[in-house]
Amino acid sequence: EVQLVESGGGLVQPGGSLRLSCAASGITFSSYWWSWVRQAPGKGLEWVANMKQGGSETNYVDSVKGRFTISRDNAKNSLYLQMNSLRAEDAAVYYCAFSYNSDSSAPTDWGQGTLVTVSS
Amino acid sequence: QAVLTQPASLSASPGASASLTCTLRSGINVGTYRIYWYQQKAGSPPHYLLRYKSDSDKQQGSGVPSRFSGSKDASANAGILLISGLQSEDEADYYCMIWHSSAWVFGGGTKLTVL
Repeated sequence: EVQLVESGGGLVQPGGSLRLSCAASGITFSSYWWSWVRQAPGKGLEWVANMKQGGSETNYVDSVKGRFTISRDNAKNSLYLQMNSLRAEDAAVYYCAFSYNSDSSAPTDWGQGTLVTVSS
Repeated sequence: QAVLTQPASLSASPGASASLTCTLRSGINVGTYRIYWYQQKAGSPPHYLLRYKSDSDKQQGSGVPSRFSGSKDASANAGILLISGLQSEDEADYYCMIWHSSAWVFGGGTKLTVL
């Protein structure tokens, strides 16, 4: 059974940093594209970033470029999102997700999410 | 103007069909894109339903019933998610998504009410 468990969310002040983790089990972690997608309270989905299987390619939504960094540790079956210079508008539930398709990086399987609150 | 536009809400009766539209911004040709569809129920993460580019390039998500299907309306420059035989459990938010300018872009979502 596939399990994706996000952690690392919490309350952080504007300008602060947070590192999210996503631990995967039941799959060959290294074989897939991985993404972070967020959802502000009561709002729609927003894709944040993704990373190719070997880590050779990453993509980010414009609003987080230069502030967020996606990374992965295939040996630990884990995905990370380092978030710096956090803003109020970054507050959201952050989901990790992967694509089981070899011809697309579109997320197909999702974790339950971790909540990030940005407030002073 | 948003890349993808979805109606905010839609209501339909049990047993009926619902057609959810995802309109691409002018200048972005629906014919060149795979359109992905997700269902999100309250308090749960999104669930991948299907993708559709053409009848020869489509995919049903794992375990997704065949009453969920995708299509396009080229004249409206829109992708369509058709749900037939509506059930109360289909009440949810539905999002479309495309890969555009090196980023995944979601539509704003449609809240489907089954009543």
